[in-house]
Amino acid sequence: QVQLVQSGAEVKKPGASVKVSCKVSGYTLTELSMHWVRQAPGKGLEWMGGFDPEDGETIYAQKFQGRVTMTEDTSTDTAYMELSSLRSEDTAVYYCASTVTTSFDYWGQGTLVTVSS
Amino acid sequence: QSALTQPASVSGSPGQSITISCTGTSSDVGSYNLVSWYQQHPGKAPKLMIYEVSKRPSGVSNRFSGSKSGNTASLTISGLQAEDEADYYCCSYAGSRVFGGGTKLTVL
Repeated sequence: QVQLVQSGAEVKKPGASVKVSCKVSGYTLTELSMHWVRQAPGKGLEWMGGFDPEDGETIYAQKFQGRVTMTEDTSTDTAYMELSSLRSEDTAVYYCASTVTTSFDYWGQGTLVTVSS
Repeated sequence: QSALTQPASVSGSPGQSITISCTGTSSDVGSYNLVSWYQQHPGKAPKLMIYEVSKRPSGVSNRFSGSKSGNTASLTISGLQAEDEADYYCCSYAGSRVFGGGTKLTVL
C-alpha cells in the first residue's frame, strides 16, 4: 500500500518561493509517476504537472510553466514541488498524487500554502 | 486546456440512483479511455473511485459505475447512502491532465 506524506503548512509573502515535499512509502519513487494538484479555497482541483512515463519527462500545465519545478530524490523516495513568484491567488492546498494505474491512485494529505503580505 | 464541464450540483434521496456527467472535447474525453472519477469529502484528500472510464479500484463499492459516450463521461451511483454526500471530480488524460469543475452531491 502506497503512502504519501507531505510537509507542513507554509506562509509566504508575495514574490517568494515555496517548496513542498512528498515522502513515499510502500513503493519506491521509481515505481510511481508523481503529479501535483492544487485546490484553492472553495474551488476545484487543478492539475499542475507530473511525470509522463511515455516520454520519461516531467510535463507542466501551461499555466504554471516557468514558475513551477518538480523534482525527485530517489535516494530518499521524496518528491518536491517548488513554486516561485508567489501571489495571493496561489493560496491553496497542494497535493501530491501518484499513479500506479493510469490515474491518481494515491494522494498525500495536502499542504496548505498561504500567500499573504 | 479548458476544464471539463460538470453540473455544479446534483441531489438524490437514499436508495435512489444519480448520474453525474462530465463533458469534454474530442481532444480529451473523446480521444482516450482514460477518464477517472474522484470523491472528496470536506477537508479530506480526493479518493479514486473509477479509472479508465469504468474500472473500480479494489475496495470501492460496486454501487459506483462509470461509462462514456463520445465526449461525455458519466459516473452513476446507485443505492445512494448518506456517506456518498461529497464533491465529485472527473479527470481526463489529454497528453496532460484536465479536471472537471466538480459536482456537489447532496443526499436528501
